Amino acid sequence: QAQLVESGGGSVKPGGSLRLSCEASGFTFSDFFISWVRQAPGKGLEWVSYISKTGSVTFYADSVKGRFSVSRDNVKNSLYLEMTNLRADDSGVYYCAREPTFPAGLDVWGRGTTVTVSS
Amino acid sequence: EIVLTQSPGTQSLSPGERATLSCRASQTILNNYLAWYQQRPGRAPRLLIYGASTRATDVPVRFSGSGSATDFTLTITKLEPEDFAVYYCQQYGTAPYSFGQGTRLEIK
Repeated sequence: QAQLVESGGGSVKPGGSLRLSCEASGFTFSDFFISWVRQAPGKGLEWVSYISKTGSVTFYADSVKGRFSVSRDNVKNSLYLEMTNLRADDSGVYYCAREPTFPAGLDVWGRGTTVTVSS
Repeated sequence: EIVLTQSPGTQSLSPGERATLSCRASQTILNNYLAWYQQRPGRAPRLLIYGASTRATDVPVRFSGSGSATDFTLTITKLEPEDFAVYYCQQYGTAPYSFGQGTRLEIK
């Protein structure tokens, strides 16, 4: 059964950094694109970043460009989101989700990890 | 960036009724790469529809998607109690990918 599990969330002060991880199991990780999606408390979904199967192509939302960096290790079946210069509006639940090679939306999601940025 | 606008913001219906949710894009979505997701409280989103009209695995037939270019619709026939949730559209044709702001389906 395909599964994604996020970790690394926590509380950090504005300007601080965090590294989120997403571990995959039950499927061939290297066959899928992966996105990070976040959700501020009580708000809607916001797409954050995308990484291609090999990691050679990445995209970011304007709100995080230059501050966040996504990477993956296909040997460890893991995805990472390095977040720097964090702001209060970066707070929320961060989900990783996979996308099949044939573009078909985000078909498997993790349960999310919570990031709180507060002084 | 493609902006997706969903309407209505909230829809109040009774079980057994039909729901029609709209998603309008600020520009044409490449290859109709438009998906719909359902999110129940405290849960991760669930993929319902991709490619504007293809049901994802194990999604009941009462869920259907339609539309093209900039105007898309999610229809739920004969609402079940578990269908009352928040629904989001997402375009994944052009980066940065984007979500609509969501439509809350509530019990009347």
